[in-house]
Formats: sequence, C-alpha cells, structure tokens
Amino acid sequence: GQSLEQPSEVTAVEGAIVQINCTYQTSGFYGLSWYQQHDGGAPTFLSYNALDGLEETGRFSSFLSRSDSYGYLLLQELQMKDSASYFCAVNTDKLIFGTGTRLQVFP
Amino acid sequence: EAQVTQNPRYLITVTGKKLTVTCSQNMNHEYMSWYRQDPGLGLRQIYYSMNVEVTDKGDVPEGYKVSRKEKRNFPLILESPSPNQTSLYFCASSPGQNTDTQYFGPGTRLTVL
Repeated sequence: GQSLEQPSEVTAVEGAIVQINCTYQTSGFYGLSWYQQHDGGAPTFLSYNALDGLEETGRFSSFLSRSDSYGYLLLQELQMKDSASYFCAVNTDKLIFGTGTRLQVFP
Repeated sequence: EAQVTQNPRYLITVTGKKLTVTCSQNMNHEYMSWYRQDPGLGLRQIYYSMNVEVTDKGDVPEGYKVSRKEKRNFPLILESPSPNQTSLYFCASSPGQNTDTQYFGPGTRLTVL
C-alpha cells in the first residue's frame, strides 16, 4: 500500500533551523506537498515539489528525491508561531497524507 | 473572498440518525474531497470528486456517501452514523487533482453518541 512516514515530534529553539523528513512507499505520484496545521485550525498549504530538488518559499524550503523515496521540509529562522503540526502528502488521484510531525519551538 | 465553507462546524448526534455536512467553494475548482482527521492517524481521504457527477472512493469510504451535482458543492452524507465516525472532518478543493494547493475548509467536529 501507499504510506508516508514522518517523525512524530520535533523540538527546536527560536532562530534555529529544523528539518522534517518524509519517507514514502508509493509510485506514480504527481508531486509531494507540505501542509501546516495549527491546533484547532485547518491545514494550510506550504510547499510543493513536482520535480526532484529544492523549492524555496521564504523561510521554508522543501526537497524531493524520487529515487530515494524521500523528501523534507526545512524551516529556517524559527519563530514561536511556527509551532504547529506539519504534514507531507503525495498527490495522486487521491491525496495521501503522512501522520504528521508536531513541531514545538521554544524561546 | 476565496474560501471553502463547511456547515455545521460542530455537531453532536446519536447513532443511526442520518446527517449531512455541507461543503461549498467559490473558486470554481474542479477537484473536491473530504478527509477525516483522528489523533495519531493524520488526515485520511474519504471521497474525492474530479468534476461534476464524478466521485471516487478514497482510503476510508465505508459508512459515507457524497454527491457532486454542482461544481461548487460537495456534501458528505452519513446515512447511519456510528460512534467510530466521531472525528474532525475537513472538506478541501483544488483546481485539479495534480495541482499543488488544496484549500481546506475550517473543519466540522462530529460526535456520534
């Protein structure tokens, strides 16, 4: 079946850099997406990789390697407001989400 | 304002009492879908629709029905709700299934007693 694995929790301090990894077992997908979800809120789109390589959007970057079945989200210059859950997802006809990584940013 | 709306936002009901959760988008998106979110399980897709009158099962379709009679609306129907359908439900839309951004509604918290 199709599955995506992420670490369940990551902690970091303000100003630091954190990388959230996503490994998957699927094939034939259009791309890899990343979503952010604050407690009590809806998921919001962060980044998308249709091709291998790095995509940069401000403080957030995302990477995909199809040959390694691996991607990551890189968050730089962490702020307290970045404390949230982060989900990777593969885009096929369905959208399959990972179980999410809870990021806690400390002062 | 471009948005996805869901109603109701909160619902407590009893086993077996049919209910419908509405979803509407004003972005002329072709692709719409429903997800449920449970602790430790992330977001799981229930049903999706690539266009009007076209619907397909996601990963957890049992106990749910959907319809897509108009482009903007994609209601989720629980004919006979059971306690294991207690969950947080999200509707989402996007221009197409292979495009990057899914726009999520605010969520509906459903409790089935």
